[in-house]
Order: sequence, then structure tokens, then C-alpha cells
Amino acid sequence: NAGVTQTPKFRVLKTGQSMTLLCAQDMNHEYMYWYRQDPGMGLRLIHYSVGEGTTAKGEVPDGYNVSRLKKQNFLLGLESAAPSQTSVYFCASNPPGGAHEQFFGPGTRLTVL
Amino acid sequence: GQNIDQPTEMTATEGAIVQINCTYQTSGFNGLFWYQQHAGEAPTFLSYNVLDGLEEKGRFSSFLSRSKGYSYLLLKELQMKDSASYLCAVRGLGSGNTPLVFGKGTRLSVIA
Repeated sequence: NAGVTQTPKFRVLKTGQSMTLLCAQDMNHEYMYWYRQDPGMGLRLIHYSVGEGTTAKGEVPDGYNVSRLKKQNFLLGLESAAPSQTSVYFCASNPPGGAHEQFFGPGTRLTVL
Repeated sequence: GQNIDQPTEMTATEGAIVQINCTYQTSGFNGLFWYQQHAGEAPTFLSYNVLDGLEEKGRFSSFLSRSKGYSYLLLKELQMKDSASYLCAVRGLGSGNTPLVFGKGTRLSVIA
């Protein structure tokens, strides 16, 4: 099993450009999440999904959109990138049940100039 | 809302024991997790507590007191490879699976 994978690993954008980050998991997990991690701020939840076709807002959703068309994939979109979106983005997933830990992908390092 | 506090940085000596504290205030509680994160890498799961008491797993132990909103991670026989950030995360109550809320992390430096 590959676990949770993220594409791309690194990306540099100019202000106003758009892009999509892809998260894929092969563990048949129902729940998937997108976090951003900034120095001194910890991991902050952007959006999450509790199943195929569902999405919900997290703590910092503004400027991002998500889609979960297939159970194994969770896409994070930036329609018009801003320098404030420079961050490391982590995807995570877990099966149903409160006792299950979240499994994280390797992260995407995004720089917006 | 939820608030999770942990120290920003700690330093400890190789071979010693270190305790990393975490206090939390949440609207409902459904478990506390500790993760380890090395620089430039993804967080990896260390421990889970949902009932009061101590959970031991090799050199690492985690303690929970729900009445005090308090947890700690205890690392014994410190090794240089234990230098990392340690993240405390809480799962609140809710319908279905509530996402984890993370503290800002404690950066541990192990020195010789």
C-alpha cells in the first residue's frame, strides 16, 4: 500500500494563478482532510470530507475549494493564489471511528510570489 | 471552540527523560492524540488516550486526565533521533467523525 500520496511535492505560483493539489489514498478510508502548516501556527484544518461527494469547511477555508468525486481522491483548489497561501499543505485520511488516528501524506510545499 | 496549549520549545539531554505537557479546552471530548513530526516530514502517530491514565508504548508513554483537561507525553532514554516537533491533538464530540484539532507543537531538541 502506498498510503496517502500528494501531488505535486513542490510548486511555485505567481499571485493570481490557480492550481489544484491532489491527494490520493489506497486504504479505503471514508474521511479525508486538508491542513496547512505555517511556522508558529501549527496544523490548521482547511476543508474535510466524510465520504464521497461530501465536503465541509474547516477553520481556515477562505480562498480554497475542494472536491471529493471519488472515495480515494480529495482535491484542493486555489482559484486565485495569494502570497498568504504560501505554506506546506498536508492531506490526511482515516477510517470511521473516533479512536482511529489520521494518516498523513508527505506534504506539498507551495510558494506564492 | 477548542483551545490547545503546549510549550513552544524544550531542550533535553541524550539519555534523559523529558515530559511534554498539553492542556486543552474543548466542547466535548472524544480522544487525545500525540504525533511526532521531524523537520520537513509529515506527522506520524505516536499515541492515543480516551480514558484517564497512562498508556505505555516502548520508550514513549502518554497520560490523560479528562477532569483537568491535561495530557503529557513522556519520552525516556532520549536519543538524538527524538529531536522533532511533538503535536498534541484533540478530537471533539460530534456526529460522525470529528476532525482533530492540533496544538501548535513543541519543538524538542536533544543535545549530547
